[in-house]
Amino acid sequence: AQTVTQSQPEMSVQEAETVTLSCTYDTSENNYYLFWYKQPPSRQMILVIRQEAYKQQNATENRFSVNFQKAAKSFSLKISDSQLGDTAMYFCAFMADTGTASKLTFGTGTRLQVTL
Amino acid sequence: EAQVTQNPRYLITVTGKKLTVTCSQNMNHEYMSWYRQDPGLGLRQIYYSMNVEVTDKGDVPEGYKVSRKEKRNFPLILESPSPNQTSLYFCASSWWDRVQYEQYFGPGTRLTVT
Repeated sequence: AQTVTQSQPEMSVQEAETVTLSCTYDTSENNYYLFWYKQPPSRQMILVIRQEAYKQQNATENRFSVNFQKAAKSFSLKISDSQLGDTAMYFCAFMADTGTASKLTFGTGTRLQVTL
Repeated sequence: EAQVTQNPRYLITVTGKKLTVTCSQNMNHEYMSWYRQDPGLGLRQIYYSMNVEVTDKGDVPEGYKVSRKEKRNFPLILESPSPNQTSLYFCASSWWDRVQYEQYFGPGTRLTVT
């Protein structure tokens, strides 16, 4: 069974600064996917970024980037130039590559507050 | 617009009164899933479906039922709700794409059982 751990329940960052959210996972699978989802106060789950384990290059999406360390089973999210709209709960998630769609295993989340 | 819809969005009910939360997607996705979100626990999978008439248990299936009679719909049934089922529920759907895989989530249903 897979587990995903987010050790920072809450974080705060000032607008325009950079913040890094941590995520570690445990799995015996060699092929898998990792995700960061954002949940703003509206409660909608929004995909922020995706990383395939077979890719060595870290994924980036505009101001969002990841540091994927497969050997260490670490998958942190860096948000650059933080904006007030980044205030949200962030969930790290894992999915084994079974050759088809399957379950997402989520961490417990990190609540990020962006302040002026 | 491609979307996953859930109804109702909010529901307050009493212990033991059967209820159904509907989920529908318009993207022709094979895979659909139900999650519940509780503070400090993240999201946990309740049930999932790989296609019509194919369903299986997730991590926390006790007290829930599902059915998949049509590809677009995947209702969640609570036959005898209890207060420990008070939670935020999400339906999600996806197709398989190794390169651009993503699960699409509905807006959530806030359920309170008194």
